[in-house]
Amino acid sequence: GDSVTQMEGPVTLSEEAFLTINCTYTATGYPSLFWYVQYPGEGLQLLLKATKADDKGSNKGFEATYRKETTSFHLEKGSVQVSDSAVYFCAEGGAQKLVFGQGTRLTINP
Amino acid sequence: NAGVTQTPKFRVLKTGQSMTLLCAQDMNHEYMYWYRQDPGMGLRLIHYSVGEGTTAKGEVPDGYNVSRLKKQNFLLGLESAAPSQTSVYFCASSTRRGPVGIYEQYFGPGTRLTVT
Repeated sequence: GDSVTQMEGPVTLSEEAFLTINCTYTATGYPSLFWYVQYPGEGLQLLLKATKADDKGSNKGFEATYRKETTSFHLEKGSVQVSDSAVYFCAEGGAQKLVFGQGTRLTINP
Repeated sequence: NAGVTQTPKFRVLKTGQSMTLLCAQDMNHEYMYWYRQDPGMGLRLIHYSVGEGTTAKGEVPDGYNVSRLKKQNFLLGLESAAPSQTSVYFCASSTRRGPVGIYEQYFGPGTRLTVT
């Protein structure tokens, strides 16, 4: 079946550092791609999405570009803040179901 | 709108006991899902529903049953709890959005279940 592979964590950075979390998927065709964020003790929230090749999703300073040629959807942010500390999940899917990566725990130190 | 709500937030069961987790959504979404989240495993789909009165198996359905008698509610049942079912359970709902037909899932806050 389809799978999503994320960069293993945990990831620890200093405030204002550049962030990249890698994500690759195996689904064929053109699945929708998502990044979700989970803050401590909460459910997942949609961070950004992309639906077709070369689409760039963006939100709260985070960006990810749908790369069909490398089946990737890497998450980036130019300058992280302490408040970005959370678990980040990459996901791919179509109409009925999503397939999630294992999650990457991000900690930002002041 | 409350979005997606889950009841209860926490529960401790003994092996062999049964319980039902309730998920409710007020967004009139057609699709609803139950996931479990375990350390290092991400989210795994247990069961899902594409509409009132329908249910389907996900990736890890064994030991669980579900019902969707009303569009806004999706119940997850454990008939005989086992320690392997200790996990955090999340409910989600979605609907088709936009001309492309993207399905964003909206999640509840989770239920932390411990089976001893």
